[in-house]
Amino acid sequence: QKEVEQNSGPLSVPEGAIASLNCTYSDRGSQSFFWYRQYSGKSPELIMFIYSNGDKEDGRFTAQLNKASQYVSLLIRDSQPSDSATYLCAVNMGGAQKLVFGQGTRLTINP
Amino acid sequence: DTEVTQTPKHLVMGMTNKKSLKCEQHMGHRAMYWYKQKAKKPPELMFVYSYEKLSINESVPSRFSPECPNSSLLNLHLHALQPEDSALYLCASSQDRTNYGYTFGSGTRLTVV
Repeated sequence: QKEVEQNSGPLSVPEGAIASLNCTYSDRGSQSFFWYRQYSGKSPELIMFIYSNGDKEDGRFTAQLNKASQYVSLLIRDSQPSDSATYLCAVNMGGAQKLVFGQGTRLTINP
Repeated sequence: DTEVTQTPKHLVMGMTNKKSLKCEQHMGHRAMYWYKQKAKKPPELMFVYSYEKLSINESVPSRFSPECPNSSLLNLHLHALQPEDSALYLCASSQDRTNYGYTFGSGTRLTVV
């Protein structure tokens, strides 16, 4: 089992709809969870982080964490073509001084 | 200053060359990282420096040699690379623990010919 798993996609969503990206992780001791956005040819950019169970909202983005189910998700409301990118889920596992990345989900927003 | 600066942005080198990648941050972060990313793959950790000391080496071949001259600078020295080492090399920094995630630099696109 991979440490951090994401559906690689591609995920195609119409403009204005909600995009839902999912991530599961294997280590129950994981403490902090991150979503990065990466445009083609560019470096990853941190867009959300979450530590506690529940929802965390920032503008059009909502991160959801369920530690019992070892599940993290990212919702993007009112999706825009500029949201088309690869979204990487990253987990800080057991206090280790490194983030473990999932494979990434390629998201395409169709005008 | 909330940036991590990497130079050069692009590098083409032969298999017998020696070159260095540079990374600089002025955010007061005490941990710095080198990642390698191949196309359509996630970033893959190479090295972690914490308080200027090497704390993690993910079994990286010795043709890659990291150096942390001070808390703001991180270098990656390259020697006798192979074509399969061609990739995007990313530097990142964080506070001493990763609770707040990393800030990535814009990367160096390396091509080995």
